[in-house]
Amino acid sequence: DAKTTQPNSMESNEEEPVHLPCNHSTISGTDYIHWYRQLPSQGPEYVIHGLTSNVNNRMASLAIAEDRKSSTLILHRATLRDAAVYYCILGGNQFYFGTGTSLTVIP
Amino acid sequence: GAGVSQSPSNKVTEKGKDVELRCDPISGHTALYWYRQSLGQGLEFLIYFQGNSAPDKSGLPSDRFSAERTGGSVSTLTIQRTQQEDSAVYLCASSSLLRGLSEQYFGPGTRLTVT
Repeated sequence: DAKTTQPNSMESNEEEPVHLPCNHSTISGTDYIHWYRQLPSQGPEYVIHGLTSNVNNRMASLAIAEDRKSSTLILHRATLRDAAVYYCILGGNQFYFGTGTSLTVIP
Repeated sequence: GAGVSQSPSNKVTEKGKDVELRCDPISGHTALYWYRQSLGQGLEFLIYFQGNSAPDKSGLPSDRFSAERTGGSVSTLTIQRTQQEDSAVYLCASSSLLRGLSEQYFGPGTRLTVT
């Protein structure tokens, strides 16, 4: 299964946009790009997913590079409740979560 | 509707004992996944089911681990002769489709401590 690379940690000020990058240079043509987040002491929570086109939902936006080798999760206005570990995953039959990006939101 | 539930929420067992962890997926979800998460680590994929079938068991850490799913619903993860390195949170998730075409819904997990 294809792997993803994310920074270990990022910080953002509250109410500012956050761009969380993910590299997936070995992505296959049929792999969907998924983002999940995990708040402390909770199970992961679905955020967004896409294949080729950029996607928007009530939680976030997903920008996918034209060659699909990277993507960016965009939180338009970070809140303290967005502090979590964010995982970028390529969807196949198995999901490999990796270690994700720990997002700290500064009040 | 009801989400994914797991039981027990916490389990403390002595080294060498067998344990069973249970997962109740969302009704109608055909795909079911088991993961484990050690303290401060990411999620480690263990096994997935499509209906009652587990096509690939290569993610299970050793032959002490087994899982089954009956009636296309409840799944049980069994760990025989537990070891201290088995201590982790065991998470179950379900989804309506395979191949990453729909989101996975996670349960709250079972925290296993092997003493």
